[in-house]
Amino acid sequence: GENVEQHPSTLSVQEGDSAVIKCTYSDSASNYFPWYKQELGKRPQLIIDIRSNVGEKKDQRIAVTLNKTAKHFSLHITETQPEDSAVYFCAASPMGNQFYFGTGTSLTVIP
Amino acid sequence: NAGVTQTPKFRVLKTGQSMTLLCAQDMNHEYMYWYRQDPGMGLRLIHYSVGEGTTAKGEVPDGYNVSRLKKQNFLLGLESAAPSQTSVYFCASKQNDEKLFFGSGTQLSVL
Repeated sequence: GENVEQHPSTLSVQEGDSAVIKCTYSDSASNYFPWYKQELGKRPQLIIDIRSNVGEKKDQRIAVTLNKTAKHFSLHITETQPEDSAVYFCAASPMGNQFYFGTGTSLTVIP
Repeated sequence: NAGVTQTPKFRVLKTGQSMTLLCAQDMNHEYMYWYRQDPGMGLRLIHYSVGEGTTAKGEVPDGYNVSRLKKQNFLLGLESAAPSQTSVYFCASKQNDEKLFFGSGTQLSVL
């Protein structure tokens, strides 16, 4: 099955700096890559996603890039704010039915 | 629209006891999932369903059973709870556009 690895496991940045979280996947059939944000004690919520026919997608301060050849994708958050502090999960979906998640990155934005 | 609703929110069991977690969605979604979330391990798929009357095993199905008798409900059963099943359980659902919606989670402790 698919194997998704996510790095780093923890990340601290100063407010206003950028944060980058990287994921790799193993199954070349994966064609959908969502990112979820989970605040403490809350449910994961989708923040951005990308499909395999697109190399980059941006939504305000958040962007995701995908390199199909290297089988990796990354989440970029610019101008970080304290409310960006949360755990972020990447995922890969090879068939549309199943989602394989990374182990999460705990992001702390220091005011 | 309530979205995805999980009951109960918290539960404490003794080893060997049984229980059922209920997931209900009011979005007419075809696909429903049960995940468990453990520290440092991300979200791992237990079982899923691609439609009413269907179920399939995920990554970590042992010790759990599921049923999808009605389209809007997906039940997760533990027949004989073990301490290793202490976890936070999330239900999720989606339609064909691949965006997963999560419930608010059930925190289960097995003593």
